[in-house]
Amino acid sequence: NAGVMQNPRHLVRRRGQEARLRCSPMKGHSHVYWYRQLPEEGLKFMVYLQKENIIDESGMPKERFSAEFPKEGPSILRIQQVVRGDSAAYFCASSPRQGGEKLFFGSGTQLSVL
Amino acid sequence: AQSVSQHNHHVILSEAASLELGCNYSYGGTVNLFWYVQYPGQHLQLLLKYFSGDPLVKGIKGFEAEFIKSKFSFNLRKPSVQWSDTAEYFCAVGTNTGNQFYFGTGTSLTVIP
Repeated sequence: NAGVMQNPRHLVRRRGQEARLRCSPMKGHSHVYWYRQLPEEGLKFMVYLQKENIIDESGMPKERFSAEFPKEGPSILRIQQVVRGDSAAYFCASSPRQGGEKLFFGSGTQLSVL
Repeated sequence: AQSVSQHNHHVILSEAASLELGCNYSYGGTVNLFWYVQYPGQHLQLLLKYFSGDPLVKGIKGFEAEFIKSKFSFNLRKPSVQWSDTAEYFCAVGTNTGNQFYFGTGTSLTVIP
């Protein structure tokens, strides 16, 4: 059973471009969480999705950021018109159910904005 | 390859018992160390972190952790647990450049009243 898969592992974008980060949860997991880690800081919650639904997006910036988790395919975190401050590691985690279930983390996508 | 090991997968304690959760990592360079907690139904929260300085760090809710460089360890401790400490605990290690970050598999703590 493959773990949580994130790709790409490293993503380089120029200011103003779009970044798409993908997360394939573990098999059988229908809950996905996205976290951002800025250098030398802890993880910051961004968004929590269940298949086809956004459950909690309280940690998402109001502009330029969006997330989806379609019925088929991976969850996508999309950042439009990236700026240097978006440079960070973005982690995805999945769980089979909400509430107390253990999270399984992907290895992250390191986004660098030039 | 770099990795983070949490040896205790599931720990059950009675209230007022002392807690120590093990965390070992394999990475030869300078690291930043973290402990996170996930309470039932909630998101991850940062318990404490170590970047440099005093290897004994204190976090929220009475938790502390000690960085022992020679042992590549960052064990989490609490002198007296409470029922409300029932949660999943994750150790994490980041490289000092910030571009690599690894999680342990987590330890489930159940505190019995």
